[in-house]
Amino acid sequence: ETGVTQSPTHLIKTRGQQVTLRCSSQSGHNTVSWYQQALGQGPQFIFQYYREEENGRGNFPPRFSGLQFPNYSSELNVNALELDDSALYLCASSLKGGETQYFGPGTRLLVL
Amino acid sequence: GENVEQHPSTLSVQEGDSAVIKCTYSDSASNYFPWYKQELGKRPQLIIDIRSNVGEKKDQRIAVTLNKTAKHFSLHITETQPEDSAVYFCAAMSSGGSNYKLTFGKGTLLTVNP
Repeated sequence: ETGVTQSPTHLIKTRGQQVTLRCSSQSGHNTVSWYQQALGQGPQFIFQYYREEENGRGNFPPRFSGLQFPNYSSELNVNALELDDSALYLCASSLKGGETQYFGPGTRLLVL
Repeated sequence: GENVEQHPSTLSVQEGDSAVIKCTYSDSASNYFPWYKQELGKRPQLIIDIRSNVGEKKDQRIAVTLNKTAKHFSLHITETQPEDSAVYFCAAMSSGGSNYKLTFGKGTLLTVNP
């Protein structure tokens, strides 16, 4: 059984640019949730994907978007980057109908 | 929406002592409460969880208690060791709807002094 993986590990972008982050879910898991963790804070829910469709969204603007692929891996896209988007982006995989979420190592994004 | 408050924000104990972290939640529909441990630069790691039909759960030195009436739950770590030093997050989830969103507290930095 493989765990949740994310790429890249670190990324530096400038304001206004766009970024794509990737997540591979744990073997057998069909649901991926994305969270943003600012420094010194708890993770905040961005959205969740199940069967390639968005299945719930937190208080994030539309410039945060995502995809899920048939193999259950997922992407998080952020357009028009702002300085406040600097954070650790975590994905978590789970089984639909199951509460337990397992986190990946995260992608640390720095926006200059 | 759900709101989770966590206290204290920092906690320093001597090795061998017990540590208690408390959380309150606002949504009475929440029915799943996990605790995550996050070491510096690492992923949040699930250490224990409890569902609303259970009042207490133990796993070796770690225990969690839940009071649904008061809407609070607590993490208890006994016989603390230096490797327990980390940030601990509580979270709540309402799994009655179509998505399973975790709402986290702001975290507790636990330092265990040798």
